[in-house]
Amino acid sequence: EAEVAQSPRYKITEKSQAVAFWCDPISGHATLYWYRQILGQGPELLVQFQDESVVDDSQLPKDRFSAERLKGVDSTLKIQPAELGDSAMYLCASSLTGHSYEQYFGPGTRLTVT
Amino acid sequence: ELKVEQNPLFLSMQEGKNYTIYCNYSTTSDRLYWYRQDPGKSLESLFVLLSNGAVKQEGRLMASLDTKARLSTLHITAAVHDLSATYFCAVGMSNRDDKIIFGKGTRLHILP
Repeated sequence: EAEVAQSPRYKITEKSQAVAFWCDPISGHATLYWYRQILGQGPELLVQFQDESVVDDSQLPKDRFSAERLKGVDSTLKIQPAELGDSAMYLCASSLTGHSYEQYFGPGTRLTVT
Repeated sequence: ELKVEQNPLFLSMQEGKNYTIYCNYSTTSDRLYWYRQDPGKSLESLFVLLSNGAVKQEGRLMASLDTKARLSTLHITAAVHDLSATYFCAVGMSNRDDKIIFGKGTRLHILP
């Protein structure tokens, strides 16, 4: 069964360092989402891609976060510099365009900033 | 602005009992999703509800959608310990087919 892949699964970094996360969506899924989930809360959308284009980055802290999906397939989310408040689970999801728009989630990357 | 509220946020119940989790939302929508999340894990899709009156069942879980009341319910029948998890509802935005807003989740703890 096709799945969304993410790496790394866990990342510990020091404050002010750079960190990057990678996501490979289900083949054929044009829409890719990056979410941040703080412990005890629901996921919040950071950025959404349709193919290689950003369609929603309204909640992305652009002074330190960046995201790209250069060939419209896999994607990278970067944080530079990391802050203590960035400690969270970073989830990638993908969906097909049309009908239910059901989102399928990857295993996530647990980030701890020390 | 779409707001999604779940209640209760925490539920501890005995095995064998029935209970219902409620998901209310603030603006018109006809798309609602239920997800399950185990501790430290990602989200697993449970149900997709796409019309008023939609009802779906899988094992001991049944979800329904009332778009007029802006309410979805997730009913648990004869709970078993394996159903312990956090359950999230997510509601589709009416002007953005591809965007959903999550509730805060209901943490369900089923005592053996």
